This record gives sequence, C-alpha cells and structure tokens, in this order.
Amino acid sequence: DIVMTQSPLSLPVSPGEPASISCRSSQSLLYSNGHTYLDWYLQRPGQSPQLLIYLGSSRASGVPDRFSGSGSGTEFTLKISRVEAEDVGVYYCMQALQTPRTFGQGTKLEIK
Amino acid sequence: QVQLQQSGPGLLKPSQTLSLTCAISGDSVSSNSAVWNWVRQSPSRGLEWLGRTYYRSKWYYDSAVSVKSRITINPDTSKNQFSLQLKSVSPEDTAMYYCVRGSGNSGFDFWGQGSLVSVSS
Repeated sequence: DIVMTQSPLSLPVSPGEPASISCRSSQSLLYSNGHTYLDWYLQRPGQSPQLLIYLGSSRASGVPDRFSGSGSGTEFTLKISRVEAEDVGVYYCMQALQTPRTFGQGTKLEIK
Repeated sequence: QVQLQQSGPGLLKPSQTLSLTCAISGDSVSSNSAVWNWVRQSPSRGLEWLGRTYYRSKWYYDSAVSVKSRITINPDTSKNQFSLQLKSVSPEDTAMYYCVRGSGNSGFDFWGQGSLVSVSS
C-alpha cells in the first residue's frame, strides 16, 4: 500500500496569513497518462470531508481560488493564500493512483 | 446536484453483520463514469478506504485487504443505491462510515452524511 505522510499535524494560523501543508507519498503518484493522482480534502468540524483539489492542482467546483495545490512525484503542497475563519478543520491528502486508496494522517488547521 | 443519503443501524454486538445503504440522487449507480465507495473513519485508524463498486459494461468490485474476507458491496439498480455489509464485526469496526462517489479522475467529489456505527457487547 502507498503510505501518505503529512506535516505538520497541527497548524495555528492568524486570519489573513498564508498556510502551507505538505504531503509525501511512499511512491510516485505520476501515472503513464501524465496525471498525478493526489487529492486534497477538508473536513470541517462535525462534517463529512469535502474535495478541495484533485489531480494535484485542479480545484474542485466551488473551491475558492485562495486554495492551490502543487507538487510532483512524491512531494506535494496545499497552500492557502489568506486563511479565513471558515478554513478551520482537518486537511487530508489522498492518493488516487491505486487501490487501496490511502489517506494522510490529517493536518488540523486552527485560527490563532 | 448529487446527494448521497445513508441509512442503517448504529449499534451492533460483536459477531453481528454491519449493514448500511447509500441512496443516490442526481446520478445513477449504473453510471459509466462514477465509482461508488465506502470509507470509514476512526480515531485509531484515521480515514480508511474499504471498497468500491462500479459499472463499465459489467459490474466490478474491489476492497481493502484488511476487510476482504468480511465485506460485500452491492449495487441495487432498482432503487438506485448501493450497500455495505461487513460480517463478524468487532469493537475495532467502531467508526463513522461514509459512502462516497468517485468521479473519473476528479476525486471523491460527493460524500454521504456519515453513519456512526458502534460495536459493543
């Protein structure tokens, strides 16, 4: 199975400040079709996870453009350009290259 | 807009069978582009993918090795839903269970509301 490792596990951020979360996979998520199969999800308190980013850098429908995904191979980053109160929750990366799908441990973002 | 509505009992005793259903609106369980997944979440195991079913001229199924001998995922085309059965549950199966739509390359784009399942004697 592909192991996903996130850092940091806790991320206190002041409103309006940028935030960055890292995700590393135990093997490359680049497929032969040129796509990189890495997704990002946000789970707000008391809610189901929601899709933010797919294929490493494509924003899902309705996701604000302050969220961006980047990276390649085994190293990926989710960036929030200016954190807002509604961004509080736990962020997960997930590899979609192969089954079983596997998730990172989660990064809890809180507002300072 | 796709909606996934989960139902099923929340309290089980060890050795019983967990049964959950996910009713789909806004899409078809027989869609040639969607994949229908079950994911669970617990404090000890985090988010854990359990298995999936999808239709590409015929039905396909696969599941995580950790539950492979106990899991059944079935589509029900007459009711446009899919189900999860997990046999011989133990307290380690206590978790929030989610049904999730996967959409081609576009990630897990729709999630059910979650079903909290507790296994206790």
